[in-house]
Parts: sequence; C-alpha cells; structure tokens
Amino acid sequence: NAGVTQTPKFQVLKTGQSMTLQCAQDMNHEYMSWYRQDPGMGLRLIHYSVGAGITDQGEVPNGYNVSRSTTEDFPLRLLSAAPSQTSVYFCASGGLASNTGELFFGEGSRLTVL
Amino acid sequence: KQEVTQIPAALSVPEGENLVLNCSFTDSAIYNLQWFRQDPGKGLTSLLLIQSSQREQTSGRLNASLDKSSGRSTLYIAASQPGDSATYLCAVRSASKIIFGSGTRLSIRP
Repeated sequence: NAGVTQTPKFQVLKTGQSMTLQCAQDMNHEYMSWYRQDPGMGLRLIHYSVGAGITDQGEVPNGYNVSRSTTEDFPLRLLSAAPSQTSVYFCASGGLASNTGELFFGEGSRLTVL
Repeated sequence: KQEVTQIPAALSVPEGENLVLNCSFTDSAIYNLQWFRQDPGKGLTSLLLIQSSQREQTSGRLNASLDKSSGRSTLYIAASQPGDSATYLCAVRSASKIIFGSGTRLSIRP
C-alpha cells in the first residue's frame, strides 16, 4: 500500500524556472491538499481539492497552480520560481466525511530556489 | 477565519514525566481534529484523530481530548521517553480546509 507518493524528494531551481511537484494517492481519497513548511511557521495550506475537477485556494496560493483531473493525482505547479518559494512541500490526502477524515501525508519535497 | 495556536512553542522535560500539549482554535464549527508527530527532516505521522462528536481518543501512552465549546484540545503523554522527542502538531478541519498549528517542539531529557 503506497499511500501518498510525492516526487521529486529534492529539487534545485533557478529564479524564473518552472516545475511541477507530483502527488499521487492510492486510497481513493476525495480530499487532497498541498502545504508548505517553513521554519517557525508551521504548515500553511497552499491549495486543496475535494474531488476531480474541483480545486480551491488555501492560505498562501500566490505563485502556485493546481489541477485535479483524476482522483489519484494532484500536481502543484510553480510557473516562475522565486527564492521565497524555497521550502519543504507536503502533499496530503484524506476522506471528506468526519469519521474518515484522517489526513495522510507524503514524505515531502525539499525545494531550493537560487 | 480559523486560527490554530499551539503554546508553548518548545518544551523540555525529564524522562518519565507526564506532560500535556495544548492546541486552541478560534472557530468551534469543526469536523475533526488530528494530532501529528514530526521528527526532524521527516514527514508527518498521524497520532490520533478526534471527530467533532467525540471527547477523547486514546492510543497507548497518548490521550487526546477535545472541547469544542472552549476551542481547545490537549494531547497527554504518559511516562515520557527520550523517543518521544519530536515536534507535535495539531490540525483542525473546518468544512474542506485543514489548518495547522505551528507545533510544539518536545525534548525529553534522559
């Protein structure tokens, strides 16, 4: 059981480059989300989705795009990377009902923007 | 807007002590609350999930309580061990958003 899989685990970008962080889950979860974690600031919600074709913004959406074409996949796109986007990114998935709403996390993707 | 606060930001206690970590939230209309553990450089591991209709959940030496009316949850760790050293985060689910506290960094001294 793979759970939540994120790729790549590490990435170095130059300012202005674009890239996509991949996230896949095999638990048939409706809910998927992306967080960034910075020292002293906890996890902040970037974007989330409650099902295929449905996405919405979180606390810090600027500079990021998402799409949800399938239940399994929820990629996060950086269109023009900036040094302020240097962070550790986590993808999470879970059920929508309160009794199935346990959140499962991927192992994280460490991004450095030079 | 839901805000989640964890105080203190860091805590150091000697091995064997019982301890309580705190999590407070501003909007009581929550679906559930989840406690996580994070070791340095690692991802998040789920510890306990409390549904909005529940008052507490237990797993081994861990007990989490929820008081929606006062906007508070506590994580009780019994007989602490050095292996419990980690950052503990709470996450509050309101409708379709899940908001995290900034965590409490726990250090257990041998």
